[in-house]
Amino acid sequence: QSVLTQPPSVSGAPGQRITISCTGNSSNIGAGYTVHWYQQLPGTTPKLLISGDSHRPSGVPDRFSASRSGTSASLAITGLQAEDETDYYCQSYDSRLRGWVFGGGTKLSVL
Amino acid sequence: QVHLIQSRSEIKGPGASVKVSCRSSGDSFVDQFVYWLRQAPGQGLEWMGRFNLVYGVADYGQTFQGRVTITRDTSKKTVYMELTSLKSADTAMYYCASGNLGAGPADKWGQGTLVTVSS
Repeated sequence: QSVLTQPPSVSGAPGQRITISCTGNSSNIGAGYTVHWYQQLPGTTPKLLISGDSHRPSGVPDRFSASRSGTSASLAITGLQAEDETDYYCQSYDSRLRGWVFGGGTKLSVL
Repeated sequence: QVHLIQSRSEIKGPGASVKVSCRSSGDSFVDQFVYWLRQAPGQGLEWMGRFNLVYGVADYGQTFQGRVTITRDTSKKTVYMELTSLKSADTAMYYCASGNLGAGPADKWGQGTLVTVSS
């Protein structure tokens, strides 16, 4: 059972916009700790996609954006492409657990 | 660009220990923290702990307290993660990563080390 809750799967058609939610509580996201998002292609190492709630590292297309509000955060992908079909994880810090916490991951399917 | 290079895959028996290394390809680590995470087959990411390279201090996730130790050898530009009392549930890909904030994110990642626990 992951501390952060993500939907197990989302899907969308090419060109569409999807969002992936990440819900925490008052000891992590709700306490003001920033949320980071990782993309993990099959059989590869996770890659940082979004840091500090909404910052895109160099090389990440601007089709990817994220936000945080209250005890939740969300990742949005616009102009869906076939190459976006993979797993996405949110991560934050938890003051009660004194460590990082992750969502269980969301598998994105591009129909 | 600095890369993180991890040691090779390992196969261990139940009850054994494993020590995974993470070496910087540059003159040293460029970030303040080295983090250790793992991912069991078909599962999500799990944080094990971190090493503060500036202060030389490690801290660990509650799940792994008492079973994991993170150390470094500055002369070898290497950080180590040792996990003891292995059980089959510890079979996973173990990743080192680095970043500049204790709370993350992990900016750079090693290639991963597969640890298999089997009798």
